[in-house]
Amino acid sequence: DTEVTQTPKHLVMGMTNKKSLKCEQHMGHRAMYWYKQKAKKPPELMFVYSYEKLSINESVPSRFSPECPNSSLLNLHLHALQPEDSALYLCASARSPDEQYFGPGTRLTVT
Amino acid sequence: AQSVTQLDSQVPVFEEAPVELRCNYSSSVSVYLFWYVQYPNQGLQLLLKYLSGSTLVKGINGFEAEFNKSQTSFHLRKPSVHISDTAEYFCAVTFPNAGNMLTFGGGTRLMVKP
Repeated sequence: DTEVTQTPKHLVMGMTNKKSLKCEQHMGHRAMYWYKQKAKKPPELMFVYSYEKLSINESVPSRFSPECPNSSLLNLHLHALQPEDSALYLCASARSPDEQYFGPGTRLTVT
Repeated sequence: AQSVTQLDSQVPVFEEAPVELRCNYSSSVSVYLFWYVQYPNQGLQLLLKYLSGSTLVKGINGFEAEFNKSQTSFHLRKPSVHISDTAEYFCAVTFPNAGNMLTFGGGTRLMVKP
């Protein structure tokens, strides 16, 4: 199984809502990543988890809260988002030094 | 600091013609190099990678790339493109032992015309 899955595929939320994005992999990778991608731009790294511990937070606003409940799951909790947070959110996993495997993404629209 | 430059933001090409997408990187130490493809409304898919060894790397879908250390380049090529190759292509680098932190180029939109 070389797949990273993400749910939901699409999400529309208001600025006062609380929602969560989910990412799952069963490749035994111990590094997992959240990226944000705006249209016509490359992915921007948000968070890195290594062995289920947060190792990198790229100065992401606190309205984004990551969680890694176990080695296969990665969540991104969203609260009080702004319209400019609308983007494609990508999850990836990797075993060093090999490549990152990306999920299909969640298309988020904040209204 | 490492950086990646994709010199062309868009590359239009006719079907069955050859194509080269250019990628240059800046780094004072050895790097690992990757090309990813992103089809509309999808995630990124790895086309090929260079970690070490032969400088000519073959990937999926008929793509290949050549690592040139002296020119710090990793250009992507395909001898004959198809309409289905229309997509966004990202070059990326990472350092060994750097936790797989990828630095992406700005992307190149390949547009294959019939």
